Amino acid sequence: EVQLVESGGGLVQPGGSLRLSCAASGFTFSSYAMSWVRQAPGKGLEWVSAISGSGGSTYYADSVKGRFTISRDNSKNTLYLQMNSLRAEDTAVYYCAKVPGVVVVAAPYFDYWGQGTLVTVSS
Amino acid sequence: EIVMTQSPATLSVSPGERATLSCRASQSVSSNLAWYQQKPGQAPRLLIYGASTRATGIPARFSGSGSGTEFTLTISSLQSEDFAVYYCQQYNNWPLFGGGTKVEIK
Repeated sequence: EVQLVESGGGLVQPGGSLRLSCAASGFTFSSYAMSWVRQAPGKGLEWVSAISGSGGSTYYADSVKGRFTISRDNSKNTLYLQMNSLRAEDTAVYYCAKVPGVVVVAAPYFDYWGQGTLVTVSS
Repeated sequence: EIVMTQSPATLSVSPGERATLSCRASQSVSSNLAWYQQKPGQAPRLLIYGASTRATGIPARFSGSGSGTEFTLTISSLQSEDFAVYYCQQYNNWPLFGGGTKVEIK
């Protein structure tokens, strides 16, 4: 059974940093691209970033480019999102999502999702 | 830049009735369209990909159709567990979600 468990969310001041983690199990982690998708309170879904199975290719939404960094440790079956220079508009639940194997990493859809971790940016 | 528009924003349906949800892309996305269901406090769940292929474990009452710019998700006979918010997402290029349709009990 595929399981994705996010952690690392919390309250941070504007301009601050936070690192999210997503522990994966139930599939061969290194064989699949992964992604982060966020949802502001009461709002819709917004794709944030994606990374290839090897970690060699990464992609970002314009709204986070230059501030967020996606990475993965395939030896630990863990996906990360380093978030710097956080803004109030980054407040959201952040979901880790698995990308199906045959999908182009730069244009994915998502077949499994974690339960999410809440990031609140406020002074 | 592609814009994904879902309609209606809210759909009121009685259990057992048919629900038809629409998703429109501002330019062609071919068949690179997925549908998700999200219940309150839960993560989204993949229902449909490739515009019309049901994901693993999704009941046959869910069906998707369309290509290019016009897409439809049909729930043939609404069950109590189907009342939720539904999102479409294009993946022809950068992933982009529609604003969602809330299916509520009439």
